Amino acid sequence: EIQLQESGPGLVKPSQSLSLTCSVTGYTITSGYDWSWIRKFPGNKMEWMGYISYSGSTNYNPSLKSRISITRDTSKNQFFLQLNSVTTEDTATYYCASWRSQRGYFDYWGQGVMVTVSS
Amino acid sequence: DVVMTQTPVSLPVSLGGQASISCRSSQSLVHSNGNTYLHWYLQKPGQSPQLLIYRVSNRFSGVPDRFSGSGSGTDFTLKISRVEPEDLGDYYCLQSTHFPPTFGGGTKLELK
Repeated sequence: EIQLQESGPGLVKPSQSLSLTCSVTGYTITSGYDWSWIRKFPGNKMEWMGYISYSGSTNYNPSLKSRISITRDTSKNQFFLQLNSVTTEDTATYYCASWRSQRGYFDYWGQGVMVTVSS
Repeated sequence: DVVMTQTPVSLPVSLGGQASISCRSSQSLVHSNGNTYLHWYLQKPGQSPQLLIYRVSNRFSGVPDRFSGSGSGTDFTLKISRVEPEDLGDYYCLQSTHFPPTFGGGTKLELK
């Protein structure tokens, strides 16, 4: 079974960069799927942030395009989120998930990591 | 972006009862390929979201038949019959017909 696990700092200062790692087990990230980041804000709004495909191409939510970067390390079967110039409005729980592009849904999710942006 | 409006925000139910959640989109979710990419998720307390229904009415693997989805175009419904304690949590609809994928605001299913 595919399992995903997020990791990274729980506190980031305003104007700095947020960096998270998603470790995938049970599946090789170059074999298929697109690998996404999704966040859930306090108050429950959810936002798809972007993905990196199994081939390494990326696609981002236009609302974040100037601040976001998703990369990967295939040797470690991990993919990463970097979000630059964060503000308090980026405080959220961040999830990584597998995206089945042909079927149009996210099927496997990590447990999520809460990130607070505060000085 | 396509705006997904879920109602109600909170839904008190009795165990064994029935619940109905509505999700309306700001534009039609029928894709040019004829499919409708509207899905439903449940997020139980302390857990990540889990897929219940995909493409309007298809139950995902392992989802009990107490859960059913219906609708078309811009108007969709998730029904839960014979509500059990493990059904409580936050329900979300997701559209992926149009880019970017967008979620509804959520419905909290709680005990009356």
